[in-house]
Amino acid sequence: GQQVMQIPQYQHVQEGEDFTTYCNSSTTLSNIQWYKQRPGGHPVFLIQLVKSGEVKKQKRLTFQFGEAKKNSSLHITATQTTDVGTYFCAGRGSWGKFQFGAGTQVVVTP
Amino acid sequence: GAGVSQTPSNKVTEKGKYVELRCDPISGHTALYWYRQSLGQGPEFLIYFQGTGAADDSGLPNDRFFAVRPEGSVSTLKIQRTERGDSAVYLCASSGGTEGRAFFGQGTRLTVV
Repeated sequence: GQQVMQIPQYQHVQEGEDFTTYCNSSTTLSNIQWYKQRPGGHPVFLIQLVKSGEVKKQKRLTFQFGEAKKNSSLHITATQTTDVGTYFCAGRGSWGKFQFGAGTQVVVTP
Repeated sequence: GAGVSQTPSNKVTEKGKYVELRCDPISGHTALYWYRQSLGQGPEFLIYFQGTGAADDSGLPNDRFFAVRPEGSVSTLKIQRTERGDSAVYLCASSGGTEGRAFFGQGTRLTVV
């Protein structure tokens, strides 16, 4: 079955630095979504990527969907303490359901 | 309502008991998902409804777990003979279609003692 893997599992970042988290699927995806979950909260939708090679930006966040639609990345520039949380990718196949990765837990050091 | 509502927010039950968890999706959303999340893990897919029917129930761990959505709106996840390993946060999400973003509820934290 479809598997979605995320690396790294943990990311310790100094405030102001950049980092990237990666998402890889074992199968070709219909689309991919990214979510952020704060401690004690529920996943909150960030963005959806649909097209091969698509790149979308939200302020300091840049999301990319791979050409083969099997991988994606989230790059955050100039990390702030408000970026703390766990970032999940969720890959959706043609059958409708979406499979979450294990997440990248981000800790920001002031 | 304005968002996805899940009740109860917390449930403590004894091992072997039966529990029901309710999800009230966003009005008009046809797709409804149940996920289970353990501490430090990503949401684990359980079941997905499109309308009243279960389009994919491949994530239900065993036959103690069952979910219904009789009128295509509210859904109930039912767990029989609960075990301590069932303890987790159960998340419900809804979306307007198979391609749309999902809106998550706050979850039900289930603790089996």
